[in-house]
Amino acid sequence: SAVISQKPSRDICQRGTSLTIQCQVDSQVTMMFWYRQQPGQSLTLIATANQGSEATYESGFVIDKFPISRPNLTFSTLTVSNMSPEDSSIYLCSVHPSGRADEQFFGPGTRLTVL
Amino acid sequence: GQNIDQPTEMTATEGAIVQINCTYQTSGFNGLFWYQQHAGEAPTFLSYNVLDGLEEKGRFSSFLSRSKGYSYLLLKELQMKDSASYLCAPSGGYNKLIFGAGTRLAVHP
Repeated sequence: SAVISQKPSRDICQRGTSLTIQCQVDSQVTMMFWYRQQPGQSLTLIATANQGSEATYESGFVIDKFPISRPNLTFSTLTVSNMSPEDSSIYLCSVHPSGRADEQFFGPGTRLTVL
Repeated sequence: GQNIDQPTEMTATEGAIVQINCTYQTSGFNGLFWYQQHAGEAPTFLSYNVLDGLEEKGRFSSFLSRSKGYSYLLLKELQMKDSASYLCAPSGGYNKLIFGAGTRLAVHP
């Protein structure tokens, strides 16, 4: 398995501001994913963060709103820009350890509340 | 298009067996994951099926039929701590997971 940490674990932010969420993994992984889980709903994939190339965004998500960095094989950041109350969610990063397709693990999540 | 269908809620009695079904239609399919998620926590990996058939792992088993687009999670000897949401997630192109809405399981004494 992989040990995944996220910072911050939770935050309360004002509308119009931005928050950067960090995801750190204890081993090198090829692909990292960012998901959103809105209150009472299931998980939705925002983007795939690839080291050395731009992130790949899913339909409905754009780079201007959710810029992603992936400077190395153990770290990624997701920024939620120009926030509105609709962005209040749990944001989770996820990895396939060692490129194994038969395992995918999630970080503990960042609970974001936008006022 | 992509569609994952699971029952919204289920209830069961402590010590019993429960089967949570999942049907899916996805563009591209590598395998299917099941996760457990307790309220306020991140999803926890339970199982992954890539071949047809039953995979047993302790009290939890998972079944897959690729031709039917069907999977189920079987929980035996239910315990109160098994009360959680169970998420069915087919893995498609580039190992991306598409999650169903989840099944909220309540285990009663």
